[in-house]
Amino acid sequence: DQQVKQNSPSLSVQEGRISILNCDYTNSMFDYFLWYKKYPAEGPTFLISISSIKDKNEDGRFTVFLNKSAKHLSLHIVPSQPGDSAVYFCAASGNAGNQFYFGTGTSLTVIP
Amino acid sequence: EAGVVQSPRYKIIEKKQPVAFWCNPISGHNTLYWYRQNLGQGPELLIRYENEEAVDDSQLPKDRFSAERLKGVDSTLKIQPAELGDSAVYLCASSLRGNNSPLHFGNGTRLTVT
Repeated sequence: DQQVKQNSPSLSVQEGRISILNCDYTNSMFDYFLWYKKYPAEGPTFLISISSIKDKNEDGRFTVFLNKSAKHLSLHIVPSQPGDSAVYFCAASGNAGNQFYFGTGTSLTVIP
Repeated sequence: EAGVVQSPRYKIIEKKQPVAFWCNPISGHNTLYWYRQNLGQGPELLIRYENEEAVDDSQLPKDRFSAERLKGVDSTLKIQPAELGDSAVYLCASSLRGNNSPLHFGNGTRLTVT
């Protein structure tokens, strides 16, 4: 059973506009959430994270929002750049178990 | 800071042959993970080590897969014998022990079983 879901396999955005990637989870025990970015033939690269005590975390052009009641998180990229074109995975962990569950990824294409 | 190093990057073998993957985690990272990623899917955990102890191997197909982390640093993952369905990218990751420490991944080994 998929505990972390990314329902949009792909997303296309114009350069300079906002990209919004969404992620839903089912396990209410998750308390740490992460976004990873993956280029072809490379491993996933850690991008940004948020703990369940916060509802927003910002790092430059990247902001992650967490809505615990809806079990939903999103990644906002603004402004989007062509170099942001990659597959983005969300991940979640909980119970201090250091076990991470990943979504299936969203392929973002930023059009110049 | 050197990242997680994996080798080989690519491996093509015939079914029923053995194969091994090697991983060197980030220095000081106690926790090491092996994940498998199939095309169009997210990474799925195979095994997790805390130092040299395998603390979660519930998803490791133990009839053909084995792993070790003898000195609590480098790790190897072995498949013997390989099957066609084992074709995937095998990712190693490491993290610091404790809450809210992100995983850092290597570039993976792409295995093709023919």
